[in-house]
Amino acid sequence: NFMLTQPHSVSESPGKTVTISCTRSSGSIASNYVQWYQQRPGSAPTTVIYEDDQRPSGVPDRFSGSIDSSSNSASLTISGLKTEDEADYYCQSYDSSFMVFGGGTKLTVL
Amino acid sequence: EVQLVQSGAEVKTPGESLKISCKGSGYNFRTYWIAWVRQMPGKGLEWMGIIYPGDSDTRYSSSFQGQVTISADKSITTAYLQWSSLKASDTAMYYCAILETITGPFDYWGQGTLVTVSS
Repeated sequence: NFMLTQPHSVSESPGKTVTISCTRSSGSIASNYVQWYQQRPGSAPTTVIYEDDQRPSGVPDRFSGSIDSSSNSASLTISGLKTEDEADYYCQSYDSSFMVFGGGTKLTVL
Repeated sequence: EVQLVQSGAEVKTPGESLKISCKGSGYNFRTYWIAWVRQMPGKGLEWMGIIYPGDSDTRYSSSFQGQVTISADKSITTAYLQWSSLKASDTAMYYCAILETITGPFDYWGQGTLVTVSS
């Protein structure tokens, strides 16, 4: 199995852009899709990015995803930050019948 | 409208058994995978395992293999997560979620079931 490593926390001001990384420990980041979930306090997670860079309907285009094979990592970028974006964000991928979540990143918008 | 409705909060003592449920509606129950995800207090998401109700194909995370049992009853479109002997460390929120493909995103999530195990 592999691990997905995320920064524990990031913070940025409203209106700015923030990027959250998700680094895969072994195997290629490109070998399986990466998803990103947003979880606000007291709520179940919701999908903000699926299949590396796809946005579900209803998710603002301020949210974007990408992968970088050179660093073996995926990234979630949120532009034009709003206070409502303050939440925990988790990356997730899959390999050989096993799903893996990253440890989560707490985004503070201050 | 797709809905996953989970059973209510539980308070148990160590050593007790427990079975929590997740009832699906508004979609073809047989053709979506159902996963269980644990979230311990103040911690991140952990994938526990997954079942395909159509043929009961079930897979577990190595961390949870032998610790829990995942099952599903197609006739009542309900999935289950059960423990035979709870520990205090099982205290957590448990979510069910459905996926159209095992490699895909979690399409819908249940509201969560809080399990508290304390003597």
